[in-house]
Amino acid sequence: NAGVTQTPKFRVLKTGQSMTLLCAQDMNHEYMYWYRQDPGMGLRLIHYSVGEGTTAKGEVPDGYNVSRLKKQNFLLGLESAAPSQTSVYFCASSFGTSESFGPGTRLTVL
Amino acid sequence: AQSVTQLDSHVSVSEGTPVLLRCNYSSSYSPSLFWYVQHPNKGLQLLLKYTSAATLVKGINGFEAEFKKSETSFHLTKPSAHMSDAAEYFCVVSDLTGFQKLVFGTGTRLLVSP
Repeated sequence: NAGVTQTPKFRVLKTGQSMTLLCAQDMNHEYMYWYRQDPGMGLRLIHYSVGEGTTAKGEVPDGYNVSRLKKQNFLLGLESAAPSQTSVYFCASSFGTSESFGPGTRLTVL
Repeated sequence: AQSVTQLDSHVSVSEGTPVLLRCNYSSSYSPSLFWYVQHPNKGLQLLLKYTSAATLVKGINGFEAEFKKSETSFHLTKPSAHMSDAAEYFCVVSDLTGFQKLVFGTGTRLLVSP
């Protein structure tokens, strides 16, 4: 039982490049989330999903897209990376009031 | 709309002394409240959660928090700080109606000196 895993752990991009962050969970949770964490701002919700094939915008969705083609996976895409997207990205999944977080992905955009 | 306010960005204590991290919340519904801890360069770990059962909630590593509806507070306490408690702590609110979306506070960094 690996819980929530994220790939990659670190990444450096140049402005304008694209990339996809992968989140996987093996707990059969319905709900999945992507957050970003910036100094002094806590975690802010980017997008979330209430089930396979569904996605919704969170608090800070601009510049990101997501897909939930399989229940266990939630992908976060950056089509054209910007320095403002330099952050630590956390994925989470939940069922009821139990939410589990992944270890995070540190992304730097130069 | 829900929100949380963590009243201190930094708290410094000496090892062996009590810890108090303050959190006030705002919620239109019956809230769920959580405290998470994040050690440097690590992910988030759930310390404890309140979901409308007992108002005094005990968590891991000797931490506890008390839900006070009249004061809209959910302060985190520990009787005696340990060096390993040095970390960032997040107070989080969610509502119990429908889909659960967490709203994070801005965090309190706990510094523990020998």
